[in-house]
Amino acid sequence: DVKVTQSSRYLVKRTGEKVFLECVQDMDHENMFWYRQDPGLGLRLIYFSYDVKMKEKGDIPEGYSVSREKKERFSLILESASTNQTSMYLCASSLPVNTGELFFGEGSRLTVL
Amino acid sequence: QKEVEQNSGPLSVPEGAIASLNCTYSDRGSQSFFWYRQYSGKSPELIMFIYSNGDKEDGRFTAQLNKASQYVSLLIRDSQPSDSATYLCAVNRGTPLVFGKGTRLSVIA
Repeated sequence: DVKVTQSSRYLVKRTGEKVFLECVQDMDHENMFWYRQDPGLGLRLIYFSYDVKMKEKGDIPEGYSVSREKKERFSLILESASTNQTSMYLCASSLPVNTGELFFGEGSRLTVL
Repeated sequence: QKEVEQNSGPLSVPEGAIASLNCTYSDRGSQSFFWYRQYSGKSPELIMFIYSNGDKEDGRFTAQLNKASQYVSLLIRDSQPSDSATYLCAVNRGTPLVFGKGTRLSVIA
């Protein structure tokens, strides 16, 4: 089975802190994605990557950056966390030939105080 | 107009009934269409996809696509309380998936 693992299920950080959210997949998928999910707003794409060292902005990249140094790992970075970044963050991966079939991690619920 | 629109619900149906979930999309260039199910506190999981006009059946689930009307639907026959979840419609335009906000379904025993 495909497994997408997010390093932290729950995090509490303070405003201004740097936050790292890690995501690792074990199925050799080329594509990886970071979404955030908020009530009433649905899933919104932050960044995605179709290959190592490659990254593309999604719909809401402001305040975030990403790193993909290895194929299996895609990290989301909040350089200076703010309260409006309190959210559920979901990582997903997929094969390039079937970009609609996303495999999601369990999510990381971030609270910024 | 939002790219992918769904009624947020909640949609309540009695156990054993047919649940009908609807989705419209704005981009006529959309190529493929997906339904994800998300239980409360869990991540979305893919349950159906459809590429061509018409119906596609998988067990109790039927996806319907009408590209002329830019409309996708998901029918759940013999609804069970375990089907209670949020159903997300997603559209692929050759770029990352675009998700609707989801419809919350509640199946009442």
